Amino acid sequence: QQPVQSPQAVILREGEDAVINCSSSKALYSVHWYRQKHGEAPVFLMILLKGGEQKGHDKISASFNEKKQQSSLYLTASQLSYSGTYFCGTETAGNNRKLIWGLGTSLAVNP
Amino acid sequence: NAGVTQTPKFQVLKTGQSMTLQCAQDMNHEYMSWYRQDPGMGLRLIHYSVGAGITDQGEVPNGYNVSRSTTEDFPLRLLSAAPSQTSVYFCASRRMAITSYEQYFGPGTRLTVT
Repeated sequence: QQPVQSPQAVILREGEDAVINCSSSKALYSVHWYRQKHGEAPVFLMILLKGGEQKGHDKISASFNEKKQQSSLYLTASQLSYSGTYFCGTETAGNNRKLIWGLGTSLAVNP
Repeated sequence: NAGVTQTPKFQVLKTGQSMTLQCAQDMNHEYMSWYRQDPGMGLRLIHYSVGAGITDQGEVPNGYNVSRSTTEDFPLRLLSAAPSQTSVYFCASRRMAITSYEQYFGPGTRLTVT
């Protein structure tokens, strides 16, 4: 039931792009993306709802492929502030709106 | 709005002791949940509530109790602390509606059981 995130870790140079994937074996109702910095609480990035909607915020965007039950988070022209661990949380239909989280993707952006 | 608040920020317990982690939110959110976060394990759901008087178990409920007597408060009780419960605990809340809304996290409680 836990979604699978890939890759587990990414190291980038400032300005490079990255893609983080989140896959589920169950039919998804929504996918939530959060970023967590060391010692802090997770911070909301965006929600993708069933329907293949693509969202964006600054240079971070995401898509939701309903056929594949997969969401991808796109980070373009990465900045040092993008460093942290990215988590996807998935909500499945009929699961009482519980959010189940992937194990996270560690992203390090170096100068 | 204070958002989601948690107390204490840090706690050290001896094996067998009991304690309550406090969580409160002032956003009138129906949905509240407790997670524990261990290195390499992500966020695991302990218990959750969809409204006052309604609670249910998550993925890792053993050793923990919850109650929800008001919309604002959702305390987590450790009945008899064990070293395996050493972790960072996050409380979170969000709106319940047909559509899905973002979840707000508290700052966390770092618990060590010796």
